[in-house]
Amino acid sequence: EAGVAQSPRYKIIEKRQSVAFWCNPISGHATLYWYQQILGQGPKLLIQFQNNGVVDDSQLPKDRFSAERLKGVDSTLKIQPAKLEDSAVYLCASSSGGGLNLTFGAGSRLTVL
Amino acid sequence: GQQVMQIPQYQHVQEGEDFTTYCNSSTTLSNIQWYKQRPGGHPVFLIQLVKSGEVKKQKRLTFQFGEAKKNSSLHITATQTTDVGTYFCARDFGSSNTGKLIFGQGTTLQVKP
Repeated sequence: EAGVAQSPRYKIIEKRQSVAFWCNPISGHATLYWYQQILGQGPKLLIQFQNNGVVDDSQLPKDRFSAERLKGVDSTLKIQPAKLEDSAVYLCASSSGGGLNLTFGAGSRLTVL
Repeated sequence: GQQVMQIPQYQHVQEGEDFTTYCNSSTTLSNIQWYKQRPGGHPVFLIQLVKSGEVKKQKRLTFQFGEAKKNSSLHITATQTTDVGTYFCARDFGSSNTGKLIFGQGTTLQVKP
């Protein structure tokens, strides 16, 4: 089966600019997650979707981050305006349910200058 | 409170030597998951441990869950260069599999051929 698709793979922007990341989960996977991984650290959960609804966004910095999954399939994560500390890899993951055996995408690496 | 601590942060071994990474929590865990991330890659699910004192093996990898369900370990016997990467333990936010994971900071393994 195809894996979790993410784009773009790399993005370089200046601070205060905006950026958007796209994720297409494994077909049929109802649950989708966005994680942020700063260099040298473990991934940190930003938001969880179940179909097209938000299950948990308690760790999403909502003043600058937003995410949506309008049709319950693809998802986008947006940052506006970006800060230097947002430099990280943004990982999308999906699971068929139950939260076990998350499958991660290759990630989108963001550099904010 | 909910964090998991991993030690060591880095480990360099000669090919053929054994390797162990430890994961500790101050609170009782409902389960613990292990992931491997190759350099430049994304986390890949290895295993989940649920029961007190559980031991699971995957070829040269042995995973253990402590009797008190507050610690876990991953042991690799006779390391190979293909074992290079960062190994993360992760606990679930909830009392069951929600997929909302808190990752440790990881142990990065380097193997000298």
